[in-house]
Parts: sequence; structure tokens; C-alpha cells
Amino acid sequence: GESVGLHLPTLSVQEGDNSIINCAYSNSASDYFIWYKQESGKGPQFIIDIRSNMDKRQGQRVTVLLNKTVKHLSLQIAATQPGDSAVYFCADSGNSGYALNFGKGTSLLVTP
Amino acid sequence: DAGVTQSPTHLIKTRGQQVTLRCSPKSGHDTVSWYQQALGQGPQFIFQYYEEEERQRGNFPDRFSGHQFPNYSSELNVNALLLGDSALYLCASSLVSGGRTYEQYFGPGTRLTVT
Repeated sequence: GESVGLHLPTLSVQEGDNSIINCAYSNSASDYFIWYKQESGKGPQFIIDIRSNMDKRQGQRVTVLLNKTVKHLSLQIAATQPGDSAVYFCADSGNSGYALNFGKGTSLLVTP
Repeated sequence: DAGVTQSPTHLIKTRGQQVTLRCSPKSGHDTVSWYQQALGQGPQFIFQYYEEEERQRGNFPDRFSGHQFPNYSSELNVNALLLGDSALYLCASSLVSGGRTYEQYFGPGTRLTVT
């Protein structure tokens, strides 16, 4: 079946550096993508989303880039802080536009 | 503005028993989706409710059923519990726009342990 996957299971960055978390998707029908942050013992927290008619979208300290040609999206976090340490998931809308299809996640560890 | 709430927080059940989990959506939202998250994995879609009907279902057996009430809150029921049903059960709420759901906001989850 089609699924969303992540390139790296863990990422370690120094405080103040920029972080880039990558995600590959395989469903060409997907037209909506979301990034979530999940801290230990909590539910996923919405970070930013992007629709397929856009290539880039910026939020507060975060930027999502979408490359439909190679079915790849990335989450960039500027000036990474210790509070950014968490597991990050990308998800796509799949065929229906109702369910979100999640990958396994990338664990981001921010070191001082 | 209240976010998504779920109850109970934790639950321990015995194999073969039945369980009911509850969810209240974010204020102003009309759609509730349920996800199962095994340890170390991403959430897996169970089903979505809109206008008190199941609109889409994921790859879960009929032991998993749900309901949505007129106030948009929802229940997830699991019958004949198996050890493999142990997981974090997440509820997500959203608002239908143009027939689609976009931003889904998650609750804190219910941790179910089956012994």
C-alpha cells in the first residue's frame, strides 16, 4: 500500500542551529500535508500544513517545503531550542481527504 | 477556547473485555477522527465521524466501533479486547470545509493497556 515515510529516525542538533526533517510520500493523489510535533506522553500538536498548490509555507520559526516532483516534503526549524526536542511526524491526506496517513516519525534531540 | 478532551487518561482492561473511550472536540469543530498509536509508531487511522455517521474507516476489524452524538462528541468502543489492542488512542477534531477536513487537532489520548 501507499504510505508516508521518513528518511531519518533520529536527528541530533545543537541549540541555536537550524533543523531540517525530511519526509517522503508515495501517494500521488495526496494534496494536503501536515507536520505534527509529539512530546512524550502527549498527543500530536499541529505545527504547520501545506496544500499541493503551494511549494513553501512559513510559520513562526518553521518552514515547510513541498516538492511534488519527487514526492518529498521537509520541515525546517530555525534557531532550534531545547523545547523543540520531540518526535516529528509528517502526514498526508491520501486519496480521501479525510484520514491522515502518518509515517513513523523522526526523533529530534536538541543538545546545549 | 477548549481544546480536544479525552477520557479516561489511562485504562487497564483484561483480554476479552470491552472498553469505551470518549472524546469532546475542539469548540466549533464538527468532525471527529480516531487513531490508534502503538509504541514507537505513527498514529493509524481507525475511522472518522461527521454528522453522526461514520464517513471513512481504516483497516480495523469490526470489533472497533464508534458513535458521534448531536453535540459532536464521540465514543470509540472496542469489543473482545486483545493484547495487541494495547496502545494510545487519539481523538482528533476538525471542521469540514468544502467537503474536506484539513487541520486536525489532537487530544492528549487515552492509554489503554490490555492484560
